Amino acid sequence: QKEVEQDPGPLSVPEGAIVSLNCTYSNSAFQYFMWYRQYSRKGPELLMYTYSSGNKEDGRFTAQVDKSSKYISLFIRDSQPSDSATYLCAMSVGTASKLTFGTGTRLQVTL
Amino acid sequence: DAGITQSPRHKVTETGTPVTLRCHQTENHRYMYWYRQDPGHGLRLIHYSYGVKDTDKGEVSDGYSVSRSKTEDFLLTLESATSSQTSVYFCAIRSGSTAYNEQFFGPGTRLTVL
Repeated sequence: QKEVEQDPGPLSVPEGAIVSLNCTYSNSAFQYFMWYRQYSRKGPELLMYTYSSGNKEDGRFTAQVDKSSKYISLFIRDSQPSDSATYLCAMSVGTASKLTFGTGTRLQVTL
Repeated sequence: DAGITQSPRHKVTETGTPVTLRCHQTENHRYMYWYRQDPGHGLRLIHYSYGVKDTDKGEVSDGYSVSRSKTEDFLLTLESATSSQTSVYFCAIRSGSTAYNEQFFGPGTRLTVL
């Protein structure tokens, strides 16, 4: 079993929809939680970063962490075609910041 | 882009040949990382460095070595490339001195081993 599980999708939604992306993890020691966005043939780009349970909002994006359930989510409001990409959750523990990634969810936002 | 470049961006090589990938950063970050990305696996850590000449293994280090003789350069070497090392390789830097600081990724190197 992988330490971090993520539904690979693809997930197709109409423009304007609210998108929910999720990851579960098994290592309760994880301290830091991230969401990256990756466009085709590009490097991952950091979207959201949090280290505590609860919600963190940045514009149309909200990251949610529930450490008791070992579950993290990314919500995208008013989704746009430009949000079409692969979304990767990542988490780390310890001073070296070694990231453990989910496999990524491919999102397609249609007009 | 956090001042990270990778070279080459694309490479095709044959089984058994040595390959070196270079990651260069312009902002003197202490921590640098090499990941590989494969379908169904996401990104996995190969090796990382926490300073000049200071390196350690990651999750999938077999068949790879690294070197860091200068702060700005982190080299990944495949001593004898195999087809299972066909992948996209990403370098990353950590932006600060604490574990709280974010990691930023380079543009990637697409490697094909025939």
